[in-house]
Amino acid sequence: KAGVTQTPRYLIKTRGQQVTLSCSPISGHRSVSWYQQTPGQGLQFLFEYFSETQRNKGNFPGRFSGRQFSNSRSEMNVSTLELGDSALYLCASRPRDEYEQYFGPGTRLTVT
Amino acid sequence: LAKTTQPISMDSYEGQEVNITCSHNNIATNDYITWYQQFPSQGPRFIIQGYKTKVTNEVASLFIPADRKSSTLSLPRVSLSDTAVYYCLVGDWGANNLFFGTGTRLTVIP
Repeated sequence: KAGVTQTPRYLIKTRGQQVTLSCSPISGHRSVSWYQQTPGQGLQFLFEYFSETQRNKGNFPGRFSGRQFSNSRSEMNVSTLELGDSALYLCASRPRDEYEQYFGPGTRLTVT
Repeated sequence: LAKTTQPISMDSYEGQEVNITCSHNNIATNDYITWYQQFPSQGPRFIIQGYKTKVTNEVASLFIPADRKSSTLSLPRVSLSDTAVYYCLVGDWGANNLFFGTGTRLTVIP
């Protein structure tokens, strides 16, 4: 069974631009979560989607948004990029609650 | 969410047993303790999870005292490939908004 895939793997954007990251969960997994990882803050939870609905949200500004499609694939969007948004963005999926999360390799976003 | 405290880094020689302790004084009744491993440029990988006492699987053991205010991940006979960052997480097993913290960077020395 294929693992969690994320595209693109690397991305360079300029301040003020917006970016969309994509995550394809493991087949059959309905829950998708997004995390931001930076050297200073560690790994921080952004939000979780389950059956196309946002079920949980971390403490991030409204510039960070996401959605989930009927096939469980998820996208994350960041608008008006800031230098501090440079990070590794990780997506994780699981079939349902009470199971561990399976992480993808991440998308490395660099904002210049 | 219960916050966790771990040592920032640890060094160990190959073949030794490594114990990484995590403090979580504010753990709630419904919280489980979960450990993840992360290699550079990869997402975290689940290692082990427990609620109380001791849990063992094919790669690690997890020791949790009765008060559950701390836990210890034990890696038997580490190898160079165990060099990674190890995260202790505490949270409701049904929740996804887990607090990872900064983890413990384990370096295995030949």
